[in-house]
This record gives sequence, C-alpha cells and structure tokens, in this order.
Amino acid sequence: DAGITQSPRYKITETGRQVTLMCHQTWSHSYMFWYRQDLGHGLRLIYYSAAADITDKGEVPDGYVVSRSKTENFPLTLESATRSQTSVYFCASSDGGRAINEQFFGPGTRLTVL
Amino acid sequence: AQSVTQLGSHVSVSEGALVLLRCNYSSSVPPYLFWYVQYPNQGLQLLLKYTSAATLVKGINGFEAEFKKSETSFHLTKPSAHMSDAAEYFCAVSETGGYNKLIFGAGTRLAVHP
Repeated sequence: DAGITQSPRYKITETGRQVTLMCHQTWSHSYMFWYRQDLGHGLRLIYYSAAADITDKGEVPDGYVVSRSKTENFPLTLESATRSQTSVYFCASSDGGRAINEQFFGPGTRLTVL
Repeated sequence: AQSVTQLGSHVSVSEGALVLLRCNYSSSVPPYLFWYVQYPNQGLQLLLKYTSAATLVKGINGFEAEFKKSETSFHLTKPSAHMSDAAEYFCAVSETGGYNKLIFGAGTRLAVHP
C-alpha cells in the first residue's frame, strides 16, 4: 500500500512486557517521527529520525527506544511497558527537515497497557 | 520556548453556522503555523499552513485561517459548517529556521448539529 502505514492498529499488553510498534512509509521520506496522543495534551513528540541510522529524542522519550536501519521503516519499542504508556501512537514522515515541510501521518496504533 | 494554546476543548455549532476555532501561539521567532484535522480513528491530515507568504491562508474543505502577529493568533474559520466537518482540530507551530519539530495544541473537538 502506498503512503504511511502502522501496525498493529490495536494492541493490548501487560505491564512489564516489551512491545514494538511498526511504521512503514513508501515515499522514501528522509524524516520520520513518533508521537503519542493523550487527552488534554494533543500530540507530543517521542523520537524523530533525520535519515537511516540517525535518531534523536523528542519531548517525551523516556521508556521508548527507536531504530532506523532502513529509510522506510521506523519501529518504536517499549522495552518494559507501563500503564502510563497507554496512549494512541502516531507515526509521521516528511520529505525534509525544514520547519516548512508538511508531515504526513499514519492511522495510529491504540495501545492499552493493563 | 514555543507553545500553542487552543481555546475551547469542545465547540458545538449548527449545520450552516460559522465555525471559529481559536489558536494562540508563543514563539521567539517568526513561526510557521499549521492546522491539522483528525477524523475518528484516522491519522492527522493537513488543512492549511502559514508560511509568511500571506496572512490569510486558504485550505481544504472551505477552511481558512488568518495570521495576526499583533495578537499572536491563527484562528481557523469556515463560513458554513457541514456535518462532515465534525472532527478534532489541532493547531501546531514550528519555528522558521529551525528543525521540523511540531508543537501541537491540545486540540478542539468540533461537533456539528443538524
């Protein structure tokens, strides 16, 4: 499928388990982002990547790990899930790093940590 | 530090009425400003963006926004609401000359009644 996809769309896990959320884009965009969406907070940036093998922290990175071995993929891992990580996670991409560049968003993954 | 404030977490209008969603920003340098829309169970979609070319920006689906530097505002309007406009709307800011990091407001949920 063309565009940006996320999997799974829904995930329920337990406290302490490792969870990986997948993000794949077909545009060859250089920049990719992970956000979490929580009521009353809008979207907050977790991590971003400027290119393969280049990643950096955003506003709320604690408890998360990312990697980017290929341009098209940007997985987000919760190494030991906590209830506070229950959220909706969005992946986004853009074809440049300038502030003017539009970000394109995936459909989101709704994660519940019990 | 940049920030975005959206006044009113919920706005309700009648079909055919004016839509006004408020956004105020704080930025130390001239910003780029964005409005995104999120339909239920979907990712975010760009409505419009301000890039300093014109203070009145027209977007998709009949929406427009006006940048007012003196008021540090970027309010979103639509003359006549449709039922299909019911969604959540996010205002976001990115600094000119800076990296492509978006700072989002908390969002405004728009309800449209017959």
